[in-house]
Amino acid sequence: RKEVEQDPGPFNVPEGATVAFNCTYSNSASQSFFWYRQDCRKEPKLLMSVYSSGNEDGRFTAQLNRASQYISLLIRDSKLSDSATYLCVVRRDQGAQKLVFGQGTRLTINP
Amino acid sequence: NAGVMQNPRHLVRRRGQEARLRCSPMKGHSHVYWYRQLPEEGLKFMVYLQKENIIDESGMPKERFSAEFPKEGPSILRIQQVVRGDSAAYFCASSMSRNTGELFFGEGSRLTVL
Repeated sequence: RKEVEQDPGPFNVPEGATVAFNCTYSNSASQSFFWYRQDCRKEPKLLMSVYSSGNEDGRFTAQLNRASQYISLLIRDSKLSDSATYLCVVRRDQGAQKLVFGQGTRLTINP
Repeated sequence: NAGVMQNPRHLVRRRGQEARLRCSPMKGHSHVYWYRQLPEEGLKFMVYLQKENIIDESGMPKERFSAEFPKEGPSILRIQQVVRGDSAAYFCASSMSRNTGELFFGEGSRLTVL
């Protein structure tokens, strides 16, 4: 079983729609959680950190459910420029610097 | 303010040759990470280095792969006797501190083994 699992998609949604991705992680000792974004054939970039209390950044909302070991990302009022692959990322503990990346969920926003 | 610089961006090698990939971290960053991304797959951690030290190499294949981050100069990922399965995008990332979730990635080096 992969340490971080995501539905690879692709998700195809119309512009303006709301879309949600989930991600599950297997290591209960995981401490830190993030969403990265990767455009086609480009490098990944940090989108946002994920906190237990949930956090919002503009149209993006991230949630963490430690009991169920899943992380979610919600995108409201989607734009064409949101088309990308969204990577769920986990770090096991404060001492371990290694970030573990999920396979990514591919999103395409259609006009 | 230059970001993480990787070169070459594209590299073609024949089976059995050596590949050397270079990475210069962002200014002020002393932590360097190498990740490999196979087509249609996620990023796989390879190695984490600080200046002159390998901190975590748990993702490095046991043979043919090595990495270094010397006191002066870029970090080098070296692949000896390349095979077709080594064809991938190799991303380098850097960070300012150890305990951070924000890694700054270079644009990657795409290795093709013929």
